[in-house]
Amino acid sequence: KAGVTQTPRYLIKTRGQQVTLSCSPISGHRSVSWYQQTPGQGLQFLFEYFSETQRNKGNFPGRFSGRQFSNSRSEMNVSTLELGDSALYLCASSFTDSDEQFFGPGTRLTVL
Amino acid sequence: KQEVTQIPAALSVPEGENLVLNCSFTDSAIYNLQWFRQDPGKGLTSLLLIQSSQREQTSGRLNASLDKSSGRSTLYIAASQPGDSATYLCAVPQPYGGATNKLIFGTGTLLAVQP
Repeated sequence: KAGVTQTPRYLIKTRGQQVTLSCSPISGHRSVSWYQQTPGQGLQFLFEYFSETQRNKGNFPGRFSGRQFSNSRSEMNVSTLELGDSALYLCASSFTDSDEQFFGPGTRLTVL
Repeated sequence: KQEVTQIPAALSVPEGENLVLNCSFTDSAIYNLQWFRQDPGKGLTSLLLIQSSQREQTSGRLNASLDKSSGRSTLYIAASQPGDSATYLCAVPQPYGGATNKLIFGTGTLLAVQP
């Protein structure tokens, strides 16, 4: 059974640009969550989707957005990139609520 | 507001030693607790999930315990090996606010096992 996949694995952008990250959950999983990880702030929750509905959103500016498709794949978008957006972006999937969560390898975003 | 704390922040042990990592949470209304390991620059690997009705969960050399009433969990690693070197994170689902899979993470314990 394939694990959670994230593309691209590495990304270099400049300030002001926008970026789209993709996450494919484990087959059959309906829940996808996104996290930002930085050395100073640790793991911070971005948003959560369940069956195409956003159920929760973290304390991030509106430049951060996401969506989930009918096949449970999810994308997150960051517009008008800032230097502080440089981070490892992780997504996690689970079959249902209160279930074990599995993480992908992450996308390393560097903003210059 | 749920807060998760991990002690110690860093730990260095010689190979072969048994060790215990600690995780504390402030709100005992949790559905489960999950332990992860993270290698530098990589994603999180799930190690163990303990449901709120369980007291212990074992996987190979790993044993995790959960005491909801005291807000604590421990991860016991037997006969440590250099390959166990990583950051270990515990996480609990947000306890209130409806159905959610949002996880609240501890700050992690950086483990180094010396050969």
